[in-house]
Order: sequence, then C-alpha cells, then structure tokens
Amino acid sequence: DVKVTQSSRYLVKRTGEKVFLECVQDMDHENMFWYRQDPGLGLRLIYFSYDVKMKEKGDIPEGYSVSREKKERFSLILESASTNQTSMYLCASRSQGWTEAFFGQGTRLTVV
Amino acid sequence: AQTVTQSQPEMSVQEAETVTLSCTYDTSENNYYLFWYKQPPSRQMILVIRQEAYKQQNATENRFSVNFQKAAKSFSLKISDSQLGDTAMYFCAFGTGGSEKLVFGKGMKLTVNP
Repeated sequence: DVKVTQSSRYLVKRTGEKVFLECVQDMDHENMFWYRQDPGLGLRLIYFSYDVKMKEKGDIPEGYSVSREKKERFSLILESASTNQTSMYLCASRSQGWTEAFFGQGTRLTVV
Repeated sequence: AQTVTQSQPEMSVQEAETVTLSCTYDTSENNYYLFWYKQPPSRQMILVIRQEAYKQQNATENRFSVNFQKAAKSFSLKISDSQLGDTAMYFCAFGTGGSEKLVFGKGMKLTVNP
C-alpha cells in the first residue's frame, strides 16, 4: 500500500520561529509537492521537486523554502513563521508521466 | 496558465440521491488528464476517479462516474446512490504530461444527510 507520511498532524509554533515540516514517501516517486490548503482557496502549490536537490517554485513560495536531500524525503521550511502562515499543509508525491498524486494526512499548523 | 474552476462551493443531498459536482478548466493543451479527489473529515485526500483527455469514453468507478466534455472543457462528477460516507470536500484537478504539477480547483463541500 502506497504511503506518504507527514511528521506531524498538528503543530503550534510561535511567531518568528523556524519551522520544519517533514514528508516521507515510500513509493520511489520522482516528484514531491507541498500544498497549502485554506478555506475558499483550495490547494495552492508552494514548492515542488522533481528530483533530489532539485526544486521549483509554485504559486505561493514567499516565506517558504524546501529541501530534498534524499529521494524519499521532502521538507518544507518556514524561516520565520508568521501568523498568516497558519494553515493546513499537504504533502504529495507522484511518479513521472500520467499518474495521480498521493497525499499525506496533512499538518495543521497554527502560528501564535 | 491552466486554471480549474469549481463554481459550487457547497451542496447538500439526501442519502440515496444522485448528485452532480461541476468542474470546468482552461487549457491550450490537447493532451492532459483530469482527477476528482475526495477529502473526508479525516483530511486524507483520496483519488476518486481519473480521466485521460484522449479517451472519449467517460470513466466510471462503482457509484462514481464523470461526464467529460472536452470541447466545453467540462469535467463533472456524478455520485449515484449517495451514502453518508460521501460527505467530504471534493476537488477537481488537472495535469499535463509536460508539467509534473497538478492544478486544483477551490473545492466543493458535499454533505449527505440521512
């Protein structure tokens, strides 16, 4: 059974903290994604990676960075958390070609 | 740029009824694929159904079927015999072979009432 695992389901952080959201997939997928989900806005792509150490900006990269040192792991980094980054964060992975994406269970981040 | 539009933010139906969720998209590509995802209260996104644009036949998965109108750029999801477990957010998504990312609509909240 395919699996995408996010390190935390709920997270509360203080303004200005550096925050790491971790995602691991066990399907040997080339592509990994970080989405942000907000009510009424749907899923917005923050960053994605199509290979180890490769990354591309999505639609809303400001305030975020990512790291992919190993194929199975994709980290989202909030360098200095702000209250407007309070949101649900979804990690996904997919193989190349005409395939669907598989999602993690989401991390609900609250910045206070 | 590709866009996906789900014009109905919310719907409510009775158990056993049939409901149709609408989705339109905009693209200049000829080869692409479309998905419907379901996100129940557990938050886990689950693939419901997929459709390749080159296929004329509409995809079907048990109680779920699509009405794919390529010329109209429309991709609606029909749920037959609605069940309480169908209560969820539903997202329409679009992808092309030339890009690895999927573009999602804003989602629609479906509530199935007993």
